[in-house]
Amino acid sequence: GQQLNQSPQSMFIQEGEDVSMNCTSSSIFNTWLWYKQDPGEGPVLLIALYKAGELTSNGRLTAQFGITRKDSFLNISASIPSDVGIYFCAGQRNAGNMLTFGGGTRLMVKP
Amino acid sequence: GAVVSQHPSRVICKSGTSVKIECRSLDFQATTMFWYRQFPKQSLMLMATSNEGSKATYEQGVEKDKFLINHASLTLSTLTVTSAHPEDSSFYICSGQGGTDTQYFGPGTRLTVL
Repeated sequence: GQQLNQSPQSMFIQEGEDVSMNCTSSSIFNTWLWYKQDPGEGPVLLIALYKAGELTSNGRLTAQFGITRKDSFLNISASIPSDVGIYFCAGQRNAGNMLTFGGGTRLMVKP
Repeated sequence: GAVVSQHPSRVICKSGTSVKIECRSLDFQATTMFWYRQFPKQSLMLMATSNEGSKATYEQGVEKDKFLINHASLTLSTLTVTSAHPEDSSFYICSGQGGTDTQYFGPGTRLTVL
C-alpha cells in the first residue's frame, strides 16, 4: 500500500539533544498524526493535527501540520533514554478513513 | 485516550492450523476496526477495514478467504488466519475508531507459525 515519505529512517543521538523528523506526501491529507511504537507493542498516539498550519505541543514534543497539507514534522526537545523507539507519521484524508503510514524513524538515545 | 486490547498477545501454531485473534475496544464503541500486519523493521500495512455488522473491505493482495474478519459488535472484531503457513508469521495489530474519532491501536499479537 501507499506510504508517506518519512525521514530520517534512523537517528542515533546523545541524551539531551533535540530531534527532528518529517513526513512528506505527494497528495493532500486533512489530518496528520504522530505515533510512537515500542518493541513488541502497538503504536501509541502522540499528537494529532487537524488544521493546515497548526502547531501543537505535547510536553517535549512539538508537531506541525504543513500549510500545503502535504507534510508534517515532529520535534522532540531535550531527548531522554525513554524516547527510544520507532516514530511513525500517519495521514488521513478524511475523518473516519484509513490511515496511511510513513516508513518510521528509529530513534536511539545514548545516555 | 481510548483503550483497545488484543488477545492473545503471542501465539505459536503448527502449519496448517487456524488461529483466531480478538480485538476489543474497552471504553468506547468502535464503529470501524482496522487490521494491520507489520513485518520486522517495517511499517504497518493495512490488511482490511471492518464496519460493525457488515463485510470487511480487504486491501489489494490480502486474501479474504485466508484472513477471515468478523466485526459482530461495536466492541469486538476477530481476525482468523486460516491454514496458517510460516510466511504468515508476523505482528498483527488492530485499531478501533468510534465514528470520526482518532484510531486507537491495540498492543498487537505476535504470530509464529512453525
